[in-house]
Amino acid sequence: DVQLIQSGAEVQRPGATVKISCKVSGYTFTDDYMNWVKQAPGKGLQWMGLIDPEDGVTKYADEFQGRVAITADTSTDTVYMELSSLRSDDTAIYYCVPDSWSDWGQGTLVTVSS
Amino acid sequence: SYVLTQPPSVSLAPGQTARITCGGDDIGHKSVNWFQQRSGQTPVLVVHADSDRPSGIPERFSGTNFGNTATLTITRVEAGDEADYFCQVWDTTSDRRYVFGTGTKVTVL
Repeated sequence: DVQLIQSGAEVQRPGATVKISCKVSGYTFTDDYMNWVKQAPGKGLQWMGLIDPEDGVTKYADEFQGRVAITADTSTDTVYMELSSLRSDDTAIYYCVPDSWSDWGQGTLVTVSS
Repeated sequence: SYVLTQPPSVSLAPGQTARITCGGDDIGHKSVNWFQQRSGQTPVLVVHADSDRPSGIPERFSGTNFGNTATLTITRVEAGDEADYFCQVWDTTSDRRYVFGTGTKVTVL
């Protein structure tokens, strides 16, 4: 079975940087792109970007360009999403999702508060 | 940027048919996925590539896509179908990116 285990909840100050991990098992890590999706409280789904774990090539949504960095570690089958210059509207649940879109990580709640 | 528009809400009684639309410019030439998100849960893919159902998804869920509108149809609606539903496409018109629809809350009365 595919499993995507994300790191735990985070509380960060405005202006800080958060890095969330997503550990993959149950399929070949390099066989599928990995996406990250944001869901603010009571809001819809927002695509942030993706990475091809095989070569590390990334693609980011314009809204996050310059603030987000997605990386992949093939030695540990883990994908990371780093979001910088945090502000209050970054408070959200962040999901990792392989490009088949059939399986989702459990989500990581990031709270940005002073 | 590419925009996908959904009705904010749909309300219906058990046993009725829900039709949830997703409007986008020439969406008929794109591949549409649909996700169900029950309250407090992670999203679940219920239809992919316009009309295919992943294993485990009931036949009551079906999708069509033509022109400027994609539609998710849920027949014989049950209480357990109450959820938010989101459409999604891979947009190549202006830039390569995924786009989600605005979401539709389905309420089963």
